[in-house]
Amino acid sequence: AAGVIQSPRHLIKEKRETATLKCYPIPRHDTVYWYQQGPGQDPQFLISFYEKMQSDKGSIPDRFSAQQFSDYHSELNMSSLELGDSALYFCASSRPDNSYEQYFGPGTRLTVT
Amino acid sequence: AQKVTQAQTEISVVEKEDVTLDCVYETRDTTYYLFWYKQPPSGELVFLIRRNSFDEQNEISGRYSWNFQKSTSSFNFTITASQVVDSAVYFCALSHANDYKLSFGAGTTVTVRA
Repeated sequence: AAGVIQSPRHLIKEKRETATLKCYPIPRHDTVYWYQQGPGQDPQFLISFYEKMQSDKGSIPDRFSAQQFSDYHSELNMSSLELGDSALYFCASSRPDNSYEQYFGPGTRLTVT
Repeated sequence: AQKVTQAQTEISVVEKEDVTLDCVYETRDTTYYLFWYKQPPSGELVFLIRRNSFDEQNEISGRYSWNFQKSTSSFNFTITASQVVDSAVYFCALSHANDYKLSFGAGTTVTVRA
């Protein structure tokens, strides 16, 4: 069965650079969630999209932006990277008739040096 | 506001011992969902179980079992006859109807020694 795809899997950036993380949800899933998991921390909700519209927003810095495209894939754009942005970024998707069940991707590990 | 508390930071057991992970939640909603996820050293989040607030039936899946008690707002997870492959961080999480974002507990690191 198809799963959530995240790319890249690993990313190394320097401070003040920008990064773009991509998420491809499971086919026919219309909702995408982004979570950030810092070292030794639990995942924290950043932002979600439903049918290409932002549906909810959590503790996402103003330096970050995200969108969902017509093919339902989503991108998380991160600018002016800081050391504290080093984390595992998860994307999850859910389908219209089962919104409470989120399927997680493998995550993108971002390291800011 | 919703909150999930996993009071146990780390648990270390010897193989074949049973281990119980505690999860206590707070919510004002009457409809909510509880989850357990496993995060092995490789980093991915593996879904283990989902429970609806209106279904207090306990569940057993192989060596895993879950005890959901609304009266004490707890959703505890037991691994029976633990194995080395069970070593991971286990997260309890909560979400609500119409607001499906997950709120995670701090996680419990389980180490199973051979």
